[in-house]
Order: sequence, then C-alpha cells, then structure tokens
Amino acid sequence: DAGVTQSPTHLIKTRGQQVTLRCSPISGHKSVSWYQQVLGQGPQFIFQYYEKEERGRGNFPDRFSARQFPNYSSELNVNALLLGDSALYLCASSLAGTGNYEQYFGPGTRLTVT
Amino acid sequence: AQSVTQPDIHITVSEGASLELRCNYSYGATPYLFWYVQSPGQGLQLLLKYFSGDTLVQGIKGFEAEFKRSQSSFNLRKPSVHWSDAAEYFCAVVGYNTDKLIFGTGTRLQVFP
Repeated sequence: DAGVTQSPTHLIKTRGQQVTLRCSPISGHKSVSWYQQVLGQGPQFIFQYYEKEERGRGNFPDRFSARQFPNYSSELNVNALLLGDSALYLCASSLAGTGNYEQYFGPGTRLTVT
Repeated sequence: AQSVTQPDIHITVSEGASLELRCNYSYGATPYLFWYVQSPGQGLQLLLKYFSGDTLVQGIKGFEAEFKRSQSSFNLRKPSVHWSDAAEYFCAVVGYNTDKLIFGTGTRLQVFP
C-alpha cells in the first residue's frame, strides 16, 4: 500500500505570496494532521482534520488554513508568506484521529520563502 | 500543559556501542508516547509506541523503550548501534482523543566507525 504522499516536494516562494500544499493519506485513514518543522527543531502541530472537520489547531496565525476533502486528502494554505514560514511541512495520517492509533508521516514539502 | 523534554541535543557513539536517548514528559494522565526517527531531509518514521500495558516496548530496527511513570520518562535504548542509525530522534506525546503530537526538540545521533 502507498504511504502518505505530499506534493510538491520542494517549493520556493517570495514574501507576500500564497502557497498551497497537498497531502494524500494512507488508504482507509480518515484523520490528517499538519506540522511545521523549522530547521533544527521538532515538528510543531498546525492542524488536525478528521472526517472533514477541524479537530484541533495549533498556535499559528490565521494566515494558515486547511481543509479536508471527501476522499480524506487535505490541503494546507498559507497566505502572505513571511521569511519565517520557511520550513519542512509534514503531513501525517491515522485511522481515527483519537491519538491511540499510529500516525504515519509523509516525506514533507520543503518551503523556502525568499 | 503537555510537554516533552529531550535533554541531549547531540550524542556521539561508536558503532557497536549501546545507546540510550532520554525523554521526559509532562502530562496529567496516562500518556500515549512515541519515538520517531528522521533521516536528513526525510519525513518521520515511527520506531515504537506506548499506549498501555507492558512498560517495556519493542520497536523496529532493534530499538526498545521503557515507560517509567515515577520518573515521567520514556527512554529509548539499543544494545548495539549500527552506522545506519545515525539520524535525528524525536520523542512525542499525544493527548487523549486527539492526534496532536507534541514533540521534543530532538536528539541528533552521530555514529563513528
């Protein structure tokens, strides 16, 4: 079975632009979570979606938004990009979103803001 | 608030030596605990998890971890390290009924031949 997939792999944007990152969960998984990993740090939770509903949101500004589609894939949008948004964005999926199932991570999208 | 502390930023060991990576957590109830490994430029791979039951859990690649409630610790161990184990290791805790993982800052493992 295919694992969690993310696209694109790498992205270079200019300050002030907008970006959309995509994630496809493992087949059968209904929960998708997004994390931001700045160089040299652990991943920071951004959003969790389960059955197309937002289940949790981390301490990120409103410039960050996400949604989950009927096929359980997800998009993360970031508006008005800042240099500090440069990071590896990781998507993780799990069966039920209740914490007691393994979360499987995708390879990430490396975003560089210049 | 939930938190995870990994006291060691960088550890260097010789190939074949034993390894212990430390993790301390702060959580009111029984936590769900995880260890992930990340190779450079890659995503995170789950090594092992603790939900309940036996406090010594076995994972992939020969790793094990022991949950000690009295010490709020979940240390990762391996009896004999291989050069391919060089990577960044993250300890994480998740709260009840949520997938929100709270990660430590990670420990970078370097392995010398």
